[in-house]
Amino acid sequence: GAVVSQHPSRVICKSGTSVKIECRSLDFQATTMFWYRQFPKKSLMLMATSNEGSKATYEQGVEKDKFLINHASLTLSTLTVTSAHPEDSSFYICSASPSVNNEQFFGPGTRLTVL
Amino acid sequence: GESVGLHLPTLSVQEGDNSIINCAYSNSASDYFIWYKQESGKGPQFIIDIRSNMDKRQGQRVTVLLNKTVKHLSLQIAATQPGDSAVYFCAASKTSYDKVIFGPGTSLSVIP
Repeated sequence: GAVVSQHPSRVICKSGTSVKIECRSLDFQATTMFWYRQFPKKSLMLMATSNEGSKATYEQGVEKDKFLINHASLTLSTLTVTSAHPEDSSFYICSASPSVNNEQFFGPGTRLTVL
Repeated sequence: GESVGLHLPTLSVQEGDNSIINCAYSNSASDYFIWYKQESGKGPQFIIDIRSNMDKRQGQRVTVLLNKTVKHLSLQIAATQPGDSAVYFCAASKTSYDKVIFGPGTSLSVIP
């Protein structure tokens, strides 16, 4: 199946700093990628839809200035958590699909811990 | 919008028994349903999917049943093994290419 990777797998940062998380489709191109966050023992919550070459679409309640998304190429989307705070600590997961006939493939996730 | 929920948060089964995990959804416009397995610290792994024009689909040791009348979805795992222990999510989408909305998850524990 298609492979989606994320980098880094885990990151620890100080409160107030910004953290960038990368999502890559390794063997296919994706005009659309999705970003989710997951708190411990909770489900995945969709944050935004990343669109190659255009602005991301954010779900209700997600601050677009806090979570910056850039989809600069057909294989890479980045999520930047700006001025991170401890409440931003979470598991961030991205997904992408190779085509309209394929299911979403999920990345392995990035564990963010803000001290 | 879509809302997907599960009937039970935890499920314990004996190794070798069959497991049934249930899910309800609210949006009758959803056309595509998926079951995912998530192990600790990992991303969701696709198990099986079903489209709204079907009511049953079978995979290897897994079967998904869809009842559109009552907006209910279930995942059946035959001969449950210790490696099946994980959190299982049902999810819904308008198409396979569209954003996926997840249910709250059921934690399956297999007792050896």
